[in-house]
Amino acid sequence: AQSVTQPDIHITVSEGASLELRCNYSYGATPYLFWYVQSPGQGLQLLLKYFSGDTLVQGIKGFEAEFKRSQSSFNLRKPSVHWSDAAEYFCAVGAFLNSGGSNYKLTFGKGTLLTVNP
Amino acid sequence: EPEVTQTPSHQVTQMGQEVILRCVPISNHLYFYWYRQILGQKVEFLVSFYNNEISEKSEIFDDQFSVERPDGSNFTLKIRSTKLEDSAMYFCASSEWQAINYGYTFGSGTRLTVV
Repeated sequence: AQSVTQPDIHITVSEGASLELRCNYSYGATPYLFWYVQSPGQGLQLLLKYFSGDTLVQGIKGFEAEFKRSQSSFNLRKPSVHWSDAAEYFCAVGAFLNSGGSNYKLTFGKGTLLTVNP
Repeated sequence: EPEVTQTPSHQVTQMGQEVILRCVPISNHLYFYWYRQILGQKVEFLVSFYNNEISEKSEIFDDQFSVERPDGSNFTLKIRSTKLEDSAMYFCASSEWQAINYGYTFGSGTRLTVV
């Protein structure tokens, strides 16, 4: 069965500093990988996704993530953090459902809470 | 941008009572889901719904749970007799055809508190 580990429960960075959030996955086939962000009182917003091709994927809000198969990792990065990036970040792996088609379910990590200091 | 709408945002219920959580998915989406997040734990898959039937459910989704799309626009999750351990944030999501190419759209969630 698939699983996702986010080793850092809470990270604090200063505004303008660079950010890297770690994600390791376990999945038997080619993974479909996602990063979601959740601001307080909000739903889960998709930041970016990886299916195939270029291992460096660009997302919204200036985020990017790099897929490294040899390390089973999909780390999220941003070169310069803004105060509005303070939120909880979830890494997830997608697996097609047994019912077939393109329907799939997500297995999430526990999330990393990002605090941004002014 | 189209949104998935969930109501209510917060519901408090007494143990043993029935609750219905409501969701309005994006209108042209075909796949519908419920996930939940118990405080401090991971977001977990509950159920997937397509073509007016459940396509897959997790072991969490026992006989106390049911889903319905009663009128072509709403998508509901019913918990028949709530337990304390059902307290969680419940997220509805929807996705379109070729779902995995586009990702889900999640709603803002309903926080269910069972007392």
